Amino acid sequence: GENVEQHPSTLSVQEGDSAVIKCTYSDSASNYFPWYKQELGKGPQLIIDIRSNVGEKKDQRIAVTLNKTAKHFSLHITETQPEDSAVYFCAARLDFGNEKLTFGTGTRLTIIP
Amino acid sequence: DTAVSQTPKYLVTQMGNDKSIKCEQNLGHDTMYWYKQDSKKFLKIMFSYNNKELIINETVPNRFSPKSPDKAHLNLHINSLELGDSAVYFCASSLNPGRGGPEQFFGPGTRLTVL
Repeated sequence: GENVEQHPSTLSVQEGDSAVIKCTYSDSASNYFPWYKQELGKGPQLIIDIRSNVGEKKDQRIAVTLNKTAKHFSLHITETQPEDSAVYFCAARLDFGNEKLTFGTGTRLTIIP
Repeated sequence: DTAVSQTPKYLVTQMGNDKSIKCEQNLGHDTMYWYKQDSKKFLKIMFSYNNKELIINETVPNRFSPKSPDKAHLNLHINSLELGDSAVYFCASSLNPGRGGPEQFFGPGTRLTVL
């Protein structure tokens, strides 16, 4: 089955700096890669996703890049703000049928004002 | 509000008891899921239902029994609760792959504490 590794487990950055979180996956058949943000006491919220037919996707201050050959994908947050502090999860699945979503172990991001 | 909702938000109970968690989605989605998040924040799928049919069962102990009365509801019943069942349980939903993307939307979670 799919295995997703995520690094780092914790990350602290100064407000206004950029943050990068990296994930690797094991199943080369996986073709859908979402990122979730989980704030304290809340459920995970989908913030951006990418499919394997593109290498990069941007949405305002967040972007995701995908390297299919190396089987890794990354989340980039620019101009970080205090409200970006949360736990971020990457995930991977085969976008076909009823395949399950496999999550990474999470990164606790802290923005230092 | 269109959303995935769960009740209760908090559940504290004694070992050996039986309890249920309820989930409802008004997003018109076809597939619903239960996830368990442990104390280290690791998210793992437990079950998935598609149009009331069980499609994923991730070797969860049979003390856990999901029930889907209709495609908008997925409940989780847990028998003979154990200390190790303490966790946050999340419900999620998504459209069928053929009707749209695989994006999953999560509920707010139910924190279960077994004493």
